[in-house]
Parts: sequence; C-alpha cells; structure tokens
Amino acid sequence: DIVMTQSPDSLTVSLGERATINCKSSQSVLYSSNYKNYLAWYQQRPGQPPKLLIYWASTRESGVPDRFSGSGSGTDFSLTISSLQAEDVAVYYCQQYYSTPWTFGQGTKVEIK
Amino acid sequence: QVQLVQSGAEVKKPGSSVKVSCKASGGTFSSYAISWVRQAPGQGLEWMGGIIPIFGTADYAQRFQGRVTITADESTSTAYMELSSLRSEETAVYYCARGVMVPASKHYYMDVWGNGTTVTVSS
Repeated sequence: DIVMTQSPDSLTVSLGERATINCKSSQSVLYSSNYKNYLAWYQQRPGQPPKLLIYWASTRESGVPDRFSGSGSGTDFSLTISSLQAEDVAVYYCQQYYSTPWTFGQGTKVEIK
Repeated sequence: QVQLVQSGAEVKKPGSSVKVSCKASGGTFSSYAISWVRQAPGQGLEWMGGIIPIFGTADYAQRFQGRVTITADESTSTAYMELSSLRSEETAVYYCARGVMVPASKHYYMDVWGNGTTVTVSS
C-alpha cells in the first residue's frame, strides 16, 4: 500500500495569512503514460463530509476559491491557502488514486490564530 | 447537481452485519465509480472499497476482504455496502462517494460525497 504522510499535523494561522500543508507519498504517484500525478486534496469541516478541492495534484475543482492551490510531483506535494479565511477552518487530507487501496494522509487541522 | 443520499443511522451488536445504501439523487452513476470510506470518531479517512458499475466489478481494501461486499443497482442508481462480523472498534461514520473515472482505466478521484451513515457497534 502507498503510505501518505502529511505535515504538520496541525497549523494555526492568522486571518489573511498563508497556510501550507505538505504531503509525501511512499512511492511516486506520477503516471509515466500521461504525466499526471494521481493526487487529490479534500477539505473536511467539522460535522461535514469531505469536499474535493484539488485533483491531478493541481487542478482546482469547480467552485473552489482560487486562494486554494496545489503543487508538487512524484512523491512531494503541497496545498496552499494563500489568504486564510474563517471558513477555511477544517481538516485537510491528501489522497492518492494511483493504486488501490486508495490511501489518505492522516489529516492536517487548520485553525485561526 | 447529483446528491448521494445515504440510509439512516444503525445500531448493531458485535458479530452482526450492517448494510448501508447510497442513492444518487438528481443523476445516475452509470459512468462513475462508487467508493465507501469510513471515519472512526476523531480519526481520519479510510477507503474500504469501491465498485465501477459499468465494469460490474468491486475492489476491496485487503483488510476488509471477505467481510465487505459492495454492490450497485443501476436501475435505481443505488449502491450498497454490507459489512459483516462487526466489532465495537468499527463504530464509525460510513461515507459513499462518487468517483470520476480516468478514461480507459480503473482509477478515479472522488468528487461528490454522501452525508454519511453512523454505524454504532455495541453490545
């Protein structure tokens, strides 16, 4: 199984400041046939189901604010919130869909300072 | 806009089985996959398995092999997840999620999620 490891486990950021979450996979999730990274990011607000933010490591889902961006390739990825808003308080998960079982990182909790 | 409507909360005895349903409202899932993901209280997300209705095949995480069965009824746009031999530590919220297929493959990412079904396992 591919192990996904996120850092940090929690993050406290002031409103309007940048937040960056890192995700590392135990093996590459870059498919050589199409040069795509099989990596998604989800946001889970308290008491809610997860919500897809980013797929293909950097493609924003329709309706997701442009302050959310994804980057990285191979085994190292990042999710950045450029200007943290109150509604961004949540747990964020990365997930690989390169090989089954699909696996998630342990989650990063983002709070307001 | 499709929504996934899950069945209601369940309370089960250890050793029993539970079957959770997930109906696509406002659309179908015939060209999508359906995955099941669970979340124990205060814990992270765990993929249990998924089904691709057009292929008719289900894929399960190894740790659930032999205890979980995922099926789909395309005529009613409803997917089911049955988990047997329940243990108390399997008390969790069980989510279904729609998978957007990568063309010509069995890979998919999950774009629409149900609201979850709480399954409590207690004697």
